Amino acid sequence: EADIYQTPRYLVIGTGKKITLECSQTMGHDKMYWYQQDPGMELHLIHYSYGVNSTEKGDLSSESTVSRIRTEHFPLTLESARPSHTSQYLCASSERGRDTQYFGPGTRLTVL
Amino acid sequence: GEDVEQSLFLSVREGDSSVINCTYTDSSSTYLYWYKQEPGAGLQLLTYIFSNMDMKQDQRLTVLLNKKDKHLSLRIADTQTGDSAIYFCAESIQTLVFGKGTRLSVIA
Repeated sequence: EADIYQTPRYLVIGTGKKITLECSQTMGHDKMYWYQQDPGMELHLIHYSYGVNSTEKGDLSSESTVSRIRTEHFPLTLESARPSHTSQYLCASSERGRDTQYFGPGTRLTVL
Repeated sequence: GEDVEQSLFLSVREGDSSVINCTYTDSSSTYLYWYKQEPGAGLQLLTYIFSNMDMKQDQRLTVLLNKKDKHLSLRIADTQTGDSAIYFCAESIQTLVFGKGTRLSVIA
């Protein structure tokens, strides 16, 4: 059982607000990932990190930003939320040298 | 290119076997994965197979790999209503490349 946590699980906010989605893991994994998931199910990688102070953009362009100051923590920030940001956001992690990813429960974001 | 293909929907009757198929394009993939996503949840790792294996069985789950055709399948024996979920196939090429998911519906 993977120990990876996301908060909040659900968030409804108004347009223009700044929000931060939290992701933490207690497994000491070096690599962490953020995915955006369509209502139609497809997963899109938006950010990833190989370790502390490493952040990379994923396949899907995103207006969000991430930081990796501590190994266990990989928060995602939207400076000014818009309705187009409404989606499910999934965080995952994997250990160094392995590709197997373990997922958190997700944050469902609704921007009004 | 990196492209993992899956059919979008599958419907089976409770007690029957389910077979979910997946094709991938990169023969250098080292591992191939199956994940399950229940409503409102994240992805749960179901099983994975190393690329030099043809088959892996784990209780009701059987994974078959045909490297020549780049075809992966997941068979669920004695399908139960609790197996209703979205199933994602993924290949490992430096990172994971996911298919779009197959929604399995189990009819009681």
